Amino acid sequence: GAVVSQHPSRVICKSGTSVKIECRSLDFQATTMFWYRQFPKQSLMLMATSNEGSKATYEQGVEKDKFLINHASLTLSTLTVTSAHPEDSSFYICSAGIGKSNQPQHFGDGTRLSIL
Amino acid sequence: GDSVTQMEGPVTLSEEAFLTINCTYTATGYPSLFWYVQYPGEGLQLLLKATKADDKGSNKGFEATYRKETTSFHLEKGSVQVSDSAVYFCALSLGEGAQKLVFGQGTRLTINP
Repeated sequence: GAVVSQHPSRVICKSGTSVKIECRSLDFQATTMFWYRQFPKQSLMLMATSNEGSKATYEQGVEKDKFLINHASLTLSTLTVTSAHPEDSSFYICSAGIGKSNQPQHFGDGTRLSIL
Repeated sequence: GDSVTQMEGPVTLSEEAFLTINCTYTATGYPSLFWYVQYPGEGLQLLLKATKADDKGSNKGFEATYRKETTSFHLEKGSVQVSDSAVYFCALSLGEGAQKLVFGQGTRLTINP
């Protein structure tokens, strides 16, 4: 089946650091990639949708300058948390799809980000 | 707006018990419906899906039928195992090309031996 690789799986860093998370579709071309944030024992909150070669579409309330998304190719999207602070600590999950609503998204294993 | 409502958890069952996790949805069009499962510390895995009314999705002993008349997509399994312990998310997707998922709040399932 379709595989999405997300890296790193865990990051611990100091406040003020910028952190980059990569999301790769390994065996298919992902027209669209999604970035989610998940708080403990809660559902996934969609942060943004990115299409290859175009600017990401951010959900209401998500800071574009804080969470930079780049979707440079059909197999790679990156999320950069700029100048991270403790309140940015969370579980971030990416997913990839082929742009058809009747087809499932394929999820990465998530990145646990801890800001000290 | 479009939304998904799942039964509140946590749900705790004994091994070999029958499982039902209720899911209902509200959508302006005709959505595709999905169940995803999340094991501790991991991302989500697709469990099953259904794309039109009366479709039945099935995988690993789990089943769910797309009921348009009741706008439901309840997840069932006849005999659960300890390894089924996880969080289960019901989701819908609408809109050709958009593929944006709307998730339910998730149901935490614990199976005791």
